[in-house]
Amino acid sequence: GAGVSQSPSNKVTEKGKDVELRCDPISGHTALYWYRQRLGQGLEFLIYFQGNSAPDKSGLPSDRFSAERTGESVSTLTIQRTQQEDSAVYLCASSPKRASGTDTQYFGPGTRLTVL
Amino acid sequence: QKEVEQDPGPLSVPEGAIVSLNCTYSNSAFQYFMWYRQYSRKGPELLMYTYSSGNKEDGRFTAQVDKSSKYISLFIRDSQPSDSATYLCAMNQAGTALIFGKGTTLSVSS
Repeated sequence: GAGVSQSPSNKVTEKGKDVELRCDPISGHTALYWYRQRLGQGLEFLIYFQGNSAPDKSGLPSDRFSAERTGESVSTLTIQRTQQEDSAVYLCASSPKRASGTDTQYFGPGTRLTVL
Repeated sequence: QKEVEQDPGPLSVPEGAIVSLNCTYSNSAFQYFMWYRQYSRKGPELLMYTYSSGNKEDGRFTAQVDKSSKYISLFIRDSQPSDSATYLCAMNQAGTALIFGKGTTLSVSS
């Protein structure tokens, strides 16, 4: 079946502009995650959705970052007034459920964001 | 102390070598252990999944969990150039988020 998809695959923007990154999770996956991965670094957790609520937003680096999710489907990560330090790969992952057991996550290919 | 520690490498081996990748962790409540493989410019893909202690084998890959030592390993036998990637360990306890290691970069030369 279809995996997690993300769009766009690459985004180049100018400092100060807003960007929207999209994630389509695997159908039926109730949990959705956003991560940031800077060049040569590990995964930096940003936000977790269970359904369309976000019980854990602890990783969002500033109030310029926000995310929404529609039901148990598409999620959008928005970065306002982008800064050069926002340049990174933004990864989305989905998981069938977390409540009772493991949290096996399936990742999309990522969106590579470059802020000039 | 970070919850999950993983040596970033890089680790360089010749083709055919046995590779050992490791993570240590501090939370004794972790029950589920995973290894992800990430090729350059791609998202991580799930490679191995283990519940609690013990070994699990899948082809050339063996995952080991030693909960008494809070230590997990991934062994790759007969390594191939196509195994060159970054390997991330991840773990959690029931109902909580996965905690990832920072990843070890492996290079297998032909």
